[in-house]
Amino acid sequence: IAGITQAPTSQILAAGRRMTLRCTQDMRHNAMYWYRQDLGLGLRLIHYSNTAGTTGKGEVPDGYSVSRANTDDFPLTLASAVPSQTSVYFCASSATEDQPQHFGDGTRLSIL
Amino acid sequence: QKEVEQDPGPLSVPEGAIVSLNCTYSNSAFQYFMWYRQYSRKGPELLMYTYSSGNKEDGRFTAQVDKSSKYISLFIRDSQPSDSATYLCAMEDNNAGNMLTFGGGTRLMVKP
Repeated sequence: IAGITQAPTSQILAAGRRMTLRCTQDMRHNAMYWYRQDLGLGLRLIHYSNTAGTTGKGEVPDGYSVSRANTDDFPLTLASAVPSQTSVYFCASSATEDQPQHFGDGTRLSIL
Repeated sequence: QKEVEQDPGPLSVPEGAIVSLNCTYSNSAFQYFMWYRQYSRKGPELLMYTYSSGNKEDGRFTAQVDKSSKYISLFIRDSQPSDSATYLCAMEDNNAGNMLTFGGGTRLMVKP
């Protein structure tokens, strides 16, 4: 089934540890996105990539980095996790940057 | 004040009722409007996408946009228990590339 695969589905992590959230799509979409979803704050864009080899900052990029080595994969890295990064993280993609975005089922991350 | 306001609910209706979900926004540059449905522990699923004032219908769902009032609505006819979910509105400023601004979501419960 075509779509977006995120891994892991959930993770508990000690503060200060490094963590990479994986996102893979098989729709050959050019644009990909990372959001975090927090109660009362909704979905907020962390980073995005309009095409392989390019990335951009969203609304809340601090503490996160991304790379886009190829079309299908868009990993999100927390270099040194802090408790405020406890959230549900969603990866999304769209055919082009002006097309609707489609979401994966998220990674639930708890930083202790 | 948030750019996009959405009543968090919960909204509880009996099966078969007509449901009205609403968002207001302040940024007149928003040109594209979306409604997503999110089931518990799942990612947002695109329901409706529109870029003009007026109505767009898809099955039991009708999206309505009033740019002059900065107000959008999603109507669900003949609501079903399977419609129970959180509904998110999202908007895109064409001048800001592909960055979506989400409402906080309205939780809907349809009781059999």
